[in-house]
Formats: sequence, structure tokens, C-alpha cells
Amino acid sequence: SQELEQSPQSLIVQEGKNLTINCTSSKTLYGLYWYKQKYGEGLIFLMMLQKGGEEKSHEKITAKLDEKKQQSSLHITASQPSHAGIYLCGADFWTGNQFYFGTGTSLTVIP
Amino acid sequence: NAGVTQTPKFQVLKTGQSMTLQCAQDMNHNSMYWYRQDPGMGLRLIYYSASEGTTDKGEVPNGYNVSRLNKREFSLRLESAAPSQTSVYFCASSLRQGSSQPQHFGDGTRLSIL
Repeated sequence: SQELEQSPQSLIVQEGKNLTINCTSSKTLYGLYWYKQKYGEGLIFLMMLQKGGEEKSHEKITAKLDEKKQQSSLHITASQPSHAGIYLCGADFWTGNQFYFGTGTSLTVIP
Repeated sequence: NAGVTQTPKFQVLKTGQSMTLQCAQDMNHNSMYWYRQDPGMGLRLIYYSASEGTTDKGEVPNGYNVSRLNKREFSLRLESAAPSQTSVYFCASSLRQGSSQPQHFGDGTRLSIL
């Protein structure tokens, strides 16, 4: 979706390394959602951010939303093979009532 | 805990054939969605139903029709399949459309059109 830009497109890291995935919008977000997709499967909801400056963590995954609510980052600490998959950000906006997704980041963790 | 169930999981069609993809959710959600996922394009919204009895076009509705049969079921129909519709189709549902409502996804239908 052009509404959301995700980077990088793919990432290969050694097990134990930290990594960050970014999601950027040209418009102010109403809500920002992070999903994980295992290859060949559906999307699993990870976290939702709504307030500017908000930060949430789940196990070793932390997501942040900037103050202007136009950029979010997903940070994984001490990556493990179980973190491998495709990470997608999704968002809804103040105008309109549709939901958009970024193009995804493919993460490979090498043991 | 079934969540969102999609059928079939795989399908191969010939150009011009018609087909209906089925989706059912057991979470008492009001809103349901159909997406397609293509390499390099991410997930794109085809149609959505904010509540039972309503349907609206998403980003890429051409070539598709939908029916919100009841609160649980939302089907997607391809009347005359084209190779450009080869994709993975995902159905999703949420408690209601809008903020603070994450969508829950099915496992997808992999559709190939020859």
C-alpha cells in the first residue's frame, strides 16, 4: 500500500542479534497495528499503538509510535529462529474508513 | 477455538470459471474483510462489511463480489476468473470497524488461475 512504507523489505540476522523494522506513513495514523505472518499461514496480531509516543512490549518484541503518529518501529531483542517470518504493519487513518497494510518485512534468523 | 475459518485452502481454476470463497467467524464480530496478498504488494483490501447487511468496496474491488450472508459468514465471489486474480486471499474479522479493533485473520485460500 502506498499509504504505508515498510523497511527494510527483508532482513537476515544471526541468532542473538537485535533488529528494527520501520513503518512510515505520510498521513497521521489513527491506529497502528503490527502483525506477524509465518510462511504459508495467516496473520497473527502482535500489538496495537494509538497514542503518540506510545511504546508496548511483548516478550522480546517492542513497538513504538512516534509523537507525530506517522512512524512506528518494531524492535526485536536477542532474535531467535522462532522470530522468523513476515512482519506487517497495518493502519487506519482519521479520514476514510479503510485499513491499509505495509508491504511487509521478511525476517530470517540464522541459528 | 476456530476463530476465522476459510474454505477451500487451495484451488486451481481455469480462466473464465467462477468460484466462491467462503469465510466464517465464531467470535461474534461485527466487521469482516476480504484481502488479497501478492508479492511486493502486501495485503490489499478487496471488500469489507462493517456490519451485517452492509458491504463496501475496498482498494481493489474490480472482478469481485461479496455477500454478507449473516453475522458469521462473508463470502467472496469471482464471477469470471482471470489470471490476474491468482493470489492468496485472506478473510479477517474484527469486533467493529475502526480504531482499537485489531483484525483476526484466517489461514488463507491459495488460488491459481490458469
